[in-house]
Amino acid sequence: SQQGEEDPQALSIQEGENATMNCSYKTSINNLQWYRQNSGRGLVHLILIRSNEREKHSGRLRVTLDTSKKSSSLLITASRAADTASYFCATDARAAGNKLTFGGGTRVLVKP
Amino acid sequence: SQTIHQWPATLVQPVGSPLSLECTVEGTSNPNLYWYRQAAGRGLQLLFYSVGIGQISSEVPQNLSASRPQDRQFILSSKKLLLSDSGFYLCAWSPGQGDYEQYFGPGTRLTVT
Repeated sequence: SQQGEEDPQALSIQEGENATMNCSYKTSINNLQWYRQNSGRGLVHLILIRSNEREKHSGRLRVTLDTSKKSSSLLITASRAADTASYFCATDARAAGNKLTFGGGTRVLVKP
Repeated sequence: SQTIHQWPATLVQPVGSPLSLECTVEGTSNPNLYWYRQAAGRGLQLLFYSVGIGQISSEVPQNLSASRPQDRQFILSSKKLLLSDSGFYLCAWSPGQGDYEQYFGPGTRLTVT
């Protein structure tokens, strides 16, 4: 079963607008990660936030984590057409082998 | 720098035929290795992971098996493919210890006909 569930499943915005997507999970985590996948390609790691962190920034990306609500959000500011991709959250629950459990993803379309 | 390779990139196989997908990592030693499957428009399902040579953990009972004959080589196999084995197969690696992200290969698109 999927630990993380992204919301919305799909998002369409204009270039320059911000894109926000959310991830909810069910059990305690060690860290939460966000990945990006261009169509037909492998996943690329974007950002990792630990369970004792509340907010992290990387370039135009901002990630928040609320462990009391078991949720995280990913904000992409000033979106570009090149940001068109699927975005996945993944949780690491301190299991053997540093296993990650991925959500179903949010498909983002940025229209030029 | 580290790189991860997967081949083949695409594969069309008939039902009942065998399968062998290969993944190799360069530039690191003793990585954790992972095989995932992704159905169209869906998230990733972890199939197998390995923390060392010959050490394989299976996450989902299925028609597939995995082996790690060398430190940086991970192989996904099947003796007889099913239609339901179709999908996008991704290999990934991470450093052996600590809170690290996973690095993904380019994937193999498998179509079972």
